[in-house]
Amino acid sequence: QKEVEQDPGPLSVPEGAIVSLNCTYSNSAFQYFMWYRQYSRKGPELLMYTYSSGNKEDGRFTAQVDKSSKYISLFIRDSQPSDSATYLCAMSEDYGQNFVFGPGTRLSVLP
Amino acid sequence: GAVVSQHPSWVICKSGTSVKIECRSLDFQATTMFWYRQFPKQSLMLMATSNEGSKATYEQGVEKDKFLINHASLTLSTLTVTSAHPEDSSFYICSAPLQGFYYEQYFGPGTRLTVT
Repeated sequence: QKEVEQDPGPLSVPEGAIVSLNCTYSNSAFQYFMWYRQYSRKGPELLMYTYSSGNKEDGRFTAQVDKSSKYISLFIRDSQPSDSATYLCAMSEDYGQNFVFGPGTRLSVLP
Repeated sequence: GAVVSQHPSWVICKSGTSVKIECRSLDFQATTMFWYRQFPKQSLMLMATSNEGSKATYEQGVEKDKFLINHASLTLSTLTVTSAHPEDSSFYICSAPLQGFYYEQYFGPGTRLTVT
C-alpha cells in the first residue's frame, strides 16, 4: 500500500461543476496537509494548506481534513477551464519536513 | 509571491556527460531547498534536501555520488547529474520554503533532462 493514494483520473467535468478531489493516507502521524496545482510542464503551486483536522475555505476552493478516516479532500466550486491541471495532495508529519506527495489527479474542465 | 527559477528549462545531453541544474530563489533567502524528480504521469519524488553551508541530505535510494548537490549561497542550489544515463531522463524540480513558513514551498518551473 502506498503511503498516499489519490484517484489518478483523468477527471472531466463541465464548466461550472463542483469538483471533489480526494486523497487517502496510511500514516496517522501526518499533521500538515497541502494541495498543489500543477499545470503541464510547470512546477506545482500551493493552493491550500491545512493543519490537523478541519475545513479551510479560500475563494472557490475548500480543503477538508478528516484525520480519523485518514482522508482529505479539495472541493472546487464553479469550476473554470483555467482550473484544468493536475492536483497533487501532499502531507508531512513535521513542520516543513519530509513532504509526501500523492500521485496527482488530472482534471479537465470543459467549456 | 515568492519566485523560484530554474535553469536550464530543458537540456539534452549525451550519455556519460554531466549536467548542472541551477535553482534560484529570486526574492527571498532560502536556507533549505528541496530537489524532486517527476516521471511522466507520476508524482513528485523527493530526492534530497539541500542545506546552505552544509551537506545535502539524500533520500533512501538516491545516489549521492551521482546527484551532486551544492547549496553555496542563500539563493542558489545546484544539482549536478554526473555520468548521465538515459534512465536519468526526467523532470527535475526544486522548491524552497519561506523561512518560518515551511509548509509553503515555492516550486521552480522544472528542468526537463533528456539523456541520449
